[in-house]
Amino acid sequence: AQSVTQPDIHITVSEGASLELRCNYSYGATPYLFWYVQSPGQGLQLLLKYFSGDTLVQGIKGFEAEFKRSQSSFNLRKPSVHWSDAAEYFCAVGLNTGNQFYFGTGTSLTVIP
Amino acid sequence: DVKVTQSSRYLVKRTGEKVFLECVQDMDHENMFWYRQDPGLGLRLIYFSYDVKMKEKGDIPEGYSVSREKKERFSLILESASTNQTSMYLCASSPGQPNEKLFFGSGTQLSVL
Repeated sequence: AQSVTQPDIHITVSEGASLELRCNYSYGATPYLFWYVQSPGQGLQLLLKYFSGDTLVQGIKGFEAEFKRSQSSFNLRKPSVHWSDAAEYFCAVGLNTGNQFYFGTGTSLTVIP
Repeated sequence: DVKVTQSSRYLVKRTGEKVFLECVQDMDHENMFWYRQDPGLGLRLIYFSYDVKMKEKGDIPEGYSVSREKKERFSLILESASTNQTSMYLCASSPGQPNEKLFFGSGTQLSVL
């Protein structure tokens, strides 16, 4: 069965520090990969996505993610975190056989001054 | 700008009531989805629809039904609300092409007392 794992439930970083959020997936082929962000009281907003090609993907708000096929991972990174980045982050997998998406359980990010 | 609108931001209902959650999108999207979001569980797919009057069960359809009479509107129905259906409900839509990103509404926080 397909699954998406975000092993970190909650992460706290200092403003200005670097950030890496982990995501692993279980799927028989290379899926479509997404990172979404949910700010408090808001719906989810797409940060970036990977379909094919260059394995390092740039997104909005200075985020990037790297697809590593050998590790079935799609980790999200940001070199320098801002206080406004405090939010919940979801990794998602889209199957190329249809229109279904599977989400991880989310990682809550706290940014301290 | 694209928009997915959920009719209520907060809703309080009593056990046994019939509950309607409404979602409207203005992007002429083929696909529409209903998710519920619970802490530690991420987003779980309840139902999705890929065309008018068409619906498919997601991972947790029990206790829910849906209706899509018009392309822009996708309704989630709780036939007899129960306390374990207290949750955040998120509606999303996407174009007909496989695995285009999801556009989310702001969510409806439903409390069943």
